[in-house]
Amino acid sequence: DGGITQSPKYLFRKEGQNVTLSCEQNLNHDAMYWYRQDPGQGLRLIYYSQIVNDFQKGDIAEGYSVSREKKESFPLTVTSAQKNPTAFYLCASSKGLAVDTDTQYFGPGTRLTVL
Amino acid sequence: GQQLNQSPQSMFIQEGEDVSMNCTSSSIFNTWLWYKQDPGEGPVLLIALYKAGELTSNGRLTAQFGITRKDSFLNISASIPSDVGIYFCAGFYSGGGADGLTFGKGTHLIIQP
Repeated sequence: DGGITQSPKYLFRKEGQNVTLSCEQNLNHDAMYWYRQDPGQGLRLIYYSQIVNDFQKGDIAEGYSVSREKKESFPLTVTSAQKNPTAFYLCASSKGLAVDTDTQYFGPGTRLTVL
Repeated sequence: GQQLNQSPQSMFIQEGEDVSMNCTSSSIFNTWLWYKQDPGEGPVLLIALYKAGELTSNGRLTAQFGITRKDSFLNISASIPSDVGIYFCAGFYSGGGADGLTFGKGTHLIIQP
């Protein structure tokens, strides 16, 4: 079954701790993305990656870090520098970034709550 | 990034009614996408539109890519309870990189019994 998986579904952390969210895809997509979703604000782009070992900041990258060591995996670390980390985090992937390959497919999301 | 205006923000309808929502932009887009998100889940792609004027159906859903390339609408006919959720539009302009995909803030569809 092809798709995007995110784990865990729910994550609780104490303030000041770093936490890493997992995202894996077996769609053979080149591009992967991380979004943050807050109520009433739609989706905001955190980081994206077009190829292995390369990634770019999105609109709200501060306090986050990513790596892309493998095509299938794009983990997101929420660091203690992120001032308001409690949110729903969505990972997505697409074949590429051209107009005919840019359609993004989403994972099920991880809800992070910082206590 | 670009801005998308999606309306209405929420809709309260009776089961069986038709639904219409739309997105407009001040910029031209090359692709329009419509997603549905259930509570606590990731958005699921409903319809993708790649050409101005294109009208595409997916079951009871119909979406159109506006001729001006600055708008798109989504219609749902004969709504049923499982249509409840948040519907997002997204527009993509070529040359924009990942920042080229912009999402609307969503239309929350609520169906009253």
